[in-house]
Amino acid sequence: EPEVTQTPSHQVTQMGQEVILRCVPISNHLYFYWYRQILGQKVEFLVSFYNNEISEKSEIFDDQFSVERPDGSNFTLKIRSTKLEDSAMYFCASNYNPGTGELFFGEGSRLTVL
Amino acid sequence: QQQVKQSPQSLIVQKGGISIINCAYENTAFDYFPWYQQFPGKGPALLIAIRPDVSEKKEGRFTISFNKSAKQFSLHIMDSQPGDSATYFCAASRGQAGTALIFGKGTTLSVSS
Repeated sequence: EPEVTQTPSHQVTQMGQEVILRCVPISNHLYFYWYRQILGQKVEFLVSFYNNEISEKSEIFDDQFSVERPDGSNFTLKIRSTKLEDSAMYFCASNYNPGTGELFFGEGSRLTVL
Repeated sequence: QQQVKQSPQSLIVQKGGISIINCAYENTAFDYFPWYQQFPGKGPALLIAIRPDVSEKKEGRFTISFNKSAKQFSLHIMDSQPGDSATYFCAASRGQAGTALIFGKGTTLSVSS
């Protein structure tokens, strides 16, 4: 069964460092998303991406964040200068069919900022 | 207006019992209401979803009830099993690909055997 894969599964970084989280969405999907989940809290929308541009972004997705689809398979989230409060689980998701709205989530990348 | 309020925060149910989780929304532009199930260490996975043109949708032991006038919807899990123990999130969106899915805070369900 096709799945969304994310790397790394866990990354520890120092405050102020740049981090890149990588995702390989399901191959025929057209819409890509990043969500985050701070430990024990709800899943929060960060950004959606379609046709090589951002479709929608939340207030959380400020200038420190960027997304890119550098090739035909990868979808990346970059955090330019990490803060302690960026510590969270970051989930990549994708979907194809605009009618169903169903998102397929990866298993997440846990980011710990020290 | 973007919030989805979910209750209860946690729920303990005996095996075979009925689990009920409730959600409420404010934004009348929302027209797609999914429930996601999340096991520890995993990403959320779609369980069941409903659009506001129907008041109820059933898939196996899982039922969504939808009350458009009250802007509320709920998940019923019939004959709850220990394997149902997980965190459940309600969510809402405008139902178009590329738009944000707004999640509730989650309900941790424990089904005791």
